[in-house]
Amino acid sequence: DVKVTQSSRYLVKRTGEKVFLECVQDMDHENMFWYRQDPGLGLRLIYFSYDVKMKEKGDIPEGYSVSREKKERFSLILESASTNQTSMYLCASNYDRGLNTIYFGEGSWLTVV
Amino acid sequence: GESVGLHLPTLSVQEGDNSIINCAYSNSASDYFIWYKQESGKGPQFIIDIRSNMDKRQGQRVTVLLNKTVKHLSLQIAATQPGDSAVYFCAENVGSSYKLIFGSGTRLLVRP
Repeated sequence: DVKVTQSSRYLVKRTGEKVFLECVQDMDHENMFWYRQDPGLGLRLIYFSYDVKMKEKGDIPEGYSVSREKKERFSLILESASTNQTSMYLCASNYDRGLNTIYFGEGSWLTVV
Repeated sequence: GESVGLHLPTLSVQEGDNSIINCAYSNSASDYFIWYKQESGKGPQFIIDIRSNMDKRQGQRVTVLLNKTVKHLSLQIAATQPGDSAVYFCAENVGSSYKLIFGSGTRLLVRP
């Protein structure tokens, strides 16, 4: 089975803190994604990566950055957390492009106070 | 905590009945579709997919129907069980894009 693992399930951070959300996949997938999910807004793409050290902005990249130093690992970084970044963050991955299912991790619940 | 499900349409069915969840997609160029199930506090879980060159695909207790004429997708769950209670949403992939476009979801409630 595909395994996408998000290391932190629940985090509480203070406004202004730097936050790292880590994600690892074990299927040698080329593509990795970070989404956030909010009530009434559904899933929104923050960033994605199609190869090591490659990244592209999604629909809502402001306030976030990402890092992909190894194929299996994709990190989401909040440089200075704000309360409007309180959300559920979902990492996902899949093989190359097009007709391939995206598999999700279990999610990381971030609360910024 | 529950972050998925506020303001979502809800389908309530009796345990043992069949469920039909619908999804309208927007892009006639979409060529791949996926149904996900999301339980409270968890990430979306892949259920079944279908490519645009097919009209129907069956899995274990689930069937997906695709009507390209009216851009409509449905998920049928046979003999619905309490464990099927979750939010279900469809996703579409357009051409060779990396990205999926997600629907807003439907909450399925199974009455005992």
